Amino acid sequence: QVQLVESGGGVVQPGRPLRLSCAASGFTLSSYAMYWVRQAPGKGLEWVAFISFDGSNKYYADSVKGRFTISRDNSKNTVYLQMNSLRSEDTAVYYCARIVGTTRADHWGQGTLVSVSS
Amino acid sequence: QSALTQPASVSGSPGQSITISCTGTSSYVGGYHYVSWYQQHPGKAPKLMIYDVSKRPSGVSNRFSGSKSGNTASLTISGLQAEDEADYYCSSYTSGSTYVFGPGTKVTVL
Repeated sequence: QVQLVESGGGVVQPGRPLRLSCAASGFTLSSYAMYWVRQAPGKGLEWVAFISFDGSNKYYADSVKGRFTISRDNSKNTVYLQMNSLRSEDTAVYYCARIVGTTRADHWGQGTLVSVSS
Repeated sequence: QSALTQPASVSGSPGQSITISCTGTSSYVGGYHYVSWYQQHPGKAPKLMIYDVSKRPSGVSNRFSGSKSGNTASLTISGLQAEDEADYYCSSYTSGSTYVFGPGTKVTVL
């Protein structure tokens, strides 16, 4: 069955970097686009970044543009989110999700918590 | 502040029908037939309930239905059940492979 497992979250100081990973199994990752969505404590969902099936196209929310980088290694069945210059407002649970038909996410991971605090 | 607007909360009694609205602009919702709805229970990952305005993924109850008129999309839950109590988010795909979520609606089963 399709499974997505995020890892790499934790407590990090403002300005420091952190890299999240999303390990995919149960399907051929190289056939699917993926995205990251985050949810601040007690808040709603916010789309963060999108990567096409082959990594050739990447798009970002304005709130993270220039600081976050999405990438993938299809040979390792893993998608990454490199987060630099972290701010307190980046504190959230980060979910990765599989995109189908470009328009929707049909499978989600369980999320990983990132807490930016001094 | 989201480009989409949803009511903060909607409630209904078991067996009733409720409708959640999602209002955007011609850039979001109105101009595309790509509105999705996600259900999220506390502490859980979101679950896709409706996509492309009115299509239901395999395994989702037919009590859930979607529609759109102009810049407003709607999710209707018929025969409301206790397990439907959750947060619901609309989402719109736009050109350039960007996405936007609504602020979410808390559904309470009375």
